[in-house]
Amino acid sequence: DAGITQSPRHKVTETGTPVTLRCHQTENHRYMYWYRQDPGHGLRLIHYSYGVKDTDKGEVSDGYSVSRSKTEDFLLTLESATSSQTSVYFCAISLLGTTYNEQFFGPGTRLTVL
Amino acid sequence: AQTVTQSQPEMSVQEAETVTLSCTYDTSESDYYLFWYKQPPSRQMILVIRQEAYKQQNATENRFSVNFQKAAKSFSLKISDSQLGDAAMYFCAYRGGGADGLTFGKGTHLIIQP
Repeated sequence: DAGITQSPRHKVTETGTPVTLRCHQTENHRYMYWYRQDPGHGLRLIHYSYGVKDTDKGEVSDGYSVSRSKTEDFLLTLESATSSQTSVYFCAISLLGTTYNEQFFGPGTRLTVL
Repeated sequence: AQTVTQSQPEMSVQEAETVTLSCTYDTSESDYYLFWYKQPPSRQMILVIRQEAYKQQNATENRFSVNFQKAAKSFSLKISDSQLGDAAMYFCAYRGGGADGLTFGKGTHLIIQP
């Protein structure tokens, strides 16, 4: 399972509150990613990181920020949650150095914004 | 931007039969990678099979194989001897060179009839 954990696994919050989701990996992978999954959309890339303090935007980055102060942790923050951010959030790592640079995913976090 | 299209929202197959899931993609890149992921009701994203664009030979992993038609930009997944445990959402995904994020299709819900 590539040693990826996500916390919390479920969260219900109210519109306008800040929310931080955590992704933790134990195998020192350099690249980490945050995706969201919504019905009818598959998974879409929010942000990714290619090293400590090195991050970049993905397809649906508006309303989200990320931070990576340690190799093992990649945080996703919703500064002021909105109902449109109700989704399942997945973290992933990339196996660099292999032919395919495959991505492996954490178990996901279901976030509900009321 | 790259796009991935899965034209079959849902497919149904009898246990032990063979089923093919379709995927087409659009890209101007020559170096890229294609993947199929399985998502059972547990929500975990599981890598099923992968293909490098430069490789002519179609990838095979046990009962799973692909039909990669580069000129047609088609990447279909064939599941032979379908089993009840194959029931899941299946996502086709594209990645360009490097370690960029994946672009996913919207998924195909596969139902296995006993």
